[in-house]
Amino acid sequence: AQSVTQLDSQVPVFEEAPVELRCNYSSSVSVYLFWYVQYPNQGLQLLLKYLSGSTLVESINGFEAEFNKSQTSFHLRKPSVHISDTAEYFCAVKKAAGNKLTFGGGTRVLVKP
Amino acid sequence: SAVISQKPSRDICQRGTSLTIQCQVDSQVTMMFWYRQQPGQSLTLIATANQGSEATYESGFVIDKFPISRPNLTFSTLTVSNMSPEDSSIYLCSVEKVGSYEQYFGPGTRLTVT
Repeated sequence: AQSVTQLDSQVPVFEEAPVELRCNYSSSVSVYLFWYVQYPNQGLQLLLKYLSGSTLVESINGFEAEFNKSQTSFHLRKPSVHISDTAEYFCAVKKAAGNKLTFGGGTRVLVKP
Repeated sequence: SAVISQKPSRDICQRGTSLTIQCQVDSQVTMMFWYRQQPGQSLTLIATANQGSEATYESGFVIDKFPISRPNLTFSTLTVSNMSPEDSSIYLCSVEKVGSYEQYFGPGTRLTVT
């Protein structure tokens, strides 16, 4: 069975500072990796995904994540955060041959002015 | 992507009663799923809703407690039966389209059981 660990439950960060959210997974087979964002009192939105190809993937709002197979990680980064990035971020993994999404525990990002 | 709606958006229910949550998507999808997000926690898959057949439940979830229907490719319901305060959660529907590996989520139903 696969599992996902998000190493930080909360990350306070000042506006315009960089942020990194760590995600490690375990799986014995090939996987697809995802980051979802949940803004306060809203549903989950897909932020970015890794399926294959380039190990660095980017979102339209400045986030990027890098798939590292040897370290089984998929860390999320943004070089300069905005107040509007305050949200909870979930890392998720799915077997390449399956449908079940397994989520990490989430990281709550609080951007301070 | 897909546009997904859920009804109701929130409800407060008495212990021992049941609530049926509806999920409607704007296009035909291959897979529909139901998740639970307990307060302050991550998402846990309850079951996969299969069209025309019984849902596939994850460990720890049973059909008697969470009966699911999926009569067609765009609609599914989840019933939370004989509710207790421990069932207070956000319940989310998600979908996956043909040829896509991505799941899209509905806005969720916030359930409080008193």
